Formats: sequence, C-alpha cells, structure tokens
Amino acid sequence: GAVVSQHPSWVICKSGTSVKIECRSLDFQATTMFWYRQFPKQSLMLMATSNEGSKATYEQGVEKDKFLINHASLTLSTLTVTSAHPEDSSFYICSARDRRLGRNQPQHFGDGTRLSIL
Amino acid sequence: DAKTTQPPSMDCAEGRAANLPCNHSTISGNEYVYWYRQIHSQGPQYIIHGLKNNETNEMASLIITEDRKSSTLILPHATLRDTAVYYCIVRVNDMRFGAGTRLTVKP
Repeated sequence: GAVVSQHPSWVICKSGTSVKIECRSLDFQATTMFWYRQFPKQSLMLMATSNEGSKATYEQGVEKDKFLINHASLTLSTLTVTSAHPEDSSFYICSARDRRLGRNQPQHFGDGTRLSIL
Repeated sequence: DAKTTQPPSMDCAEGRAANLPCNHSTISGNEYVYWYRQIHSQGPQYIIHGLKNNETNEMASLIITEDRKSSTLILPHATLRDTAVYYCIVRVNDMRFGAGTRLTVKP
C-alpha cells in the first residue's frame, strides 16, 4: 500500500532554533501534500496544503512566515518551524494523495514528528 | 465540507463486533465518507471509504444509510489492538478531523 515517511520521528531543540521536518511519499507521487498539527488530547488540525511547484495554502490563523513549506518535488514536502518556541511543541503529521488516482481516493498519513522545544 | 458528529467514547468486548456511528446530515452529493483511526502517538491509518453503497474490506465494513445522512463503521471481531480513536470524515478536497470516537476494546 501507499507509504508516507516522515523524518525525523522526534526532535528536541532549544528555543529560537529552526527545525525542518521532511515528508516523503515512498511509492507514489503526490502533487499535493498536507500538514497537520496535533496537541495532546486534541484532534488533528490542518495547517496548510502543500502544492508541488507552487506556494502552499495556509489555514486561517497559521503564520506562513513561521511555518515555511517547500514542495520541491513530487515525492518530498518539507515543513520548517522557524525560531521555534515552547508553544510550538506539538505532534506534526503530514499526508499525501497519489496523483494518479482521483481526488476522492484517501490520503495516506505519515507516522508524525514529535517536536519538543525547550 | 460537511461536519460530522460522533460519540466521544465507546467500549466493546474483545471478539465482539464494534459498531461506530457517525452523523453527517449536511453531506452533499459528491462528498465521500472516510474512516480513519489513530492509535496513540501514531499517524492516522486509513480504514475504508464510500459514497453511497456499503463497502467492505479486510479491516471493516461501512454501512451508509440511503439518505446518506449517517453511516456506521463495523469492526466485525474487535481485538485489543483495535483500541484507538476513530475518525469519520466527509470531504471533497482536504481532510479535516473532528473529535472522533475513542474506542476501547476490553478483554
């Protein structure tokens, strides 16, 4: 089945540093990838839609200068949390949809990246 | 996108069928119903999806009412490993999660 890989699976950083999270579709190509954030005991919240070769679309309330998204190829999207602070600590999850299949086909999710800012 | 309503929690005995309901009364004609589950500290796992016909795969069955305003996910023989949060989602484009149902399978 379709596999989406995230790296790293967890990261601990000092406040003020920038952290890059990678999301790769391993056995399919994805024109569109999605980034979510999940705080403890809460549901997943869509942050942005990453579009290959063009700018990402951010959800209301998500700072695009804080969360930089790059979707440079059909198999890789990156999320960079710039100047991270403790309140950015969360579980970040990406998903992707196979470009060969119709829009109604399911998205496949990575296993998430747990980010802890000290 | 249509909103969904799910009970916050359910219990099920191991080996019995787990029936998880979802209301989506504002669903539109071209929106599919998707079910995912999330086991603690993992990414969501796709289970099944459908438009208006009932669907079955190796994991579960999806029963959608004729008016499409509600659906039920059926895990035919629940195991302890099926303990998770189950999300019912209806959408055309991006996928947005509600609070889901926390299913606890008990021995």
